[in-house]
Amino acid sequence: AQKITQTQPGMFVQEKEAVTLDCTYDTSDQSYGLFWYKQPSSGEMIFLIYQGSYDEQNATEGRYSLNFQKARKSANLVISASQLGDSAMYFCAMTHSLQGAQKLVFGQGTRLTINP
Amino acid sequence: GAVVSQHPSRVICKSGTSVKIECRSLDFQATTMFWYRQFPKQSLMLMATSNEGSKATYEQGVEKDKFLINHASLTLSTLTVTSAHPEDSSFYICSARGAASNSPLHFGNGTRLTVT
Repeated sequence: AQKITQTQPGMFVQEKEAVTLDCTYDTSDQSYGLFWYKQPSSGEMIFLIYQGSYDEQNATEGRYSLNFQKARKSANLVISASQLGDSAMYFCAMTHSLQGAQKLVFGQGTRLTINP
Repeated sequence: GAVVSQHPSRVICKSGTSVKIECRSLDFQATTMFWYRQFPKQSLMLMATSNEGSKATYEQGVEKDKFLINHASLTLSTLTVTSAHPEDSSFYICSARGAASNSPLHFGNGTRLTVT
């Protein structure tokens, strides 16, 4: 069975600093996908970044980058130059295949607070 | 803009009544949609996988007779909470994925159900 672990229930960061949100996963699958989603207080789930298990390069999307260390089974999210609007819950998630409609398994989430 | 529309965003109902939540993919066809449930300050838990033209697949511990899922078309799935009780009060959120192999899962904005 797949499992996602986020060990940081809460993080507090000063505005403009970089922040790393930890995520480790456990799976016996060779093919899988890793996702990060942001959930503001409004409740919507906002897709941030995706990394496939066979991708050799770390995924980047603007200020977001995913530090993918396959051997360690970690997929940490790095947010550079944090902004006040980054305050939200962040969920790491994974799927058990790369293609087709997939169900996501979510971690417990990390609440990020950006201080001015 | 939103690619998955969920309606209603909030609903309050009396105990014993039924509530229907709709999830629509706006600009793509989704043969599979997913329904999640999120309790306050917790992660998203998959309830069921909604398959167009066939029966939904429910996760262990989810009552199929209580949470009725109908995937009427390639763009619409509905979740009906039957004979709702206060413990059914929660945030329900659907997701769907486009056809492309690297399409991320898109989420609706969620429905906050309160049963009084």
